Amino acid sequence: DVKVTQSSRYLVKRTGEKVFLECVQDMDHENMFWYRQDPGLGLRLIYFSYDVKMKEKGDIPEGYSVSREKKERFSLILESASTNQTSMYLCASTQHTELTSYNEQFFGPGTRLTVL
Amino acid sequence: SQQGEEDPQALSIQEGENATMNCSYKTSINNLQWYRQNSGRGLVHLILIRSNEREKHSGRLRVTLDTSKKSSSLLITASRAADTASYFCATSGTYKYIFGTGTRLKVLA
Repeated sequence: DVKVTQSSRYLVKRTGEKVFLECVQDMDHENMFWYRQDPGLGLRLIYFSYDVKMKEKGDIPEGYSVSREKKERFSLILESASTNQTSMYLCASTQHTELTSYNEQFFGPGTRLTVL
Repeated sequence: SQQGEEDPQALSIQEGENATMNCSYKTSINNLQWYRQNSGRGLVHLILIRSNEREKHSGRLRVTLDTSKKSSSLLITASRAADTASYFCATSGTYKYIFGTGTRLKVLA
């Protein structure tokens, strides 16, 4: 059974802390994504990666960075957490093919981050 | 900015009834996908319809696509309590997927 896992289901951090959210997939997918989900705003893309050590900014990259040192792992980093980064964070992966846009995304269970 | 907008935002029906939710989008697409999200969980892919298709079925799901109106609809027939979830449409470019804000469906037993 294919799987995307995220390191924590719930996380509480303080303003100014450095926060790491980890995502691991076991499907040998090339493409990985980080979204945040907020009520009324749907899912918004933060960053994505289409290969090891490659990254691309999504729609809302400010305040975030990412790391992809291994194919199966994609990390989201909040350098200095702020209260407006309180959200649900979702990781996803897709297989890369010639027509990548036709591929379904596989999602992790999400991490609900609260920044106090 | 969000590409897809689902309508209605929330829907409450009785078990056994059909549920219809709609999605509108703004630009040209390669395909449109529908996902389900159970409360507090990740999204699960339901169905994909290509831009050159008009209708597609999968079990109790029926999806239509009207590219001239830039809209899609998802019909769930004979709904069950287990269908209670949020439903999202997503449009995709080369790499990026753009999700709508979702329809919250509640099926009452």
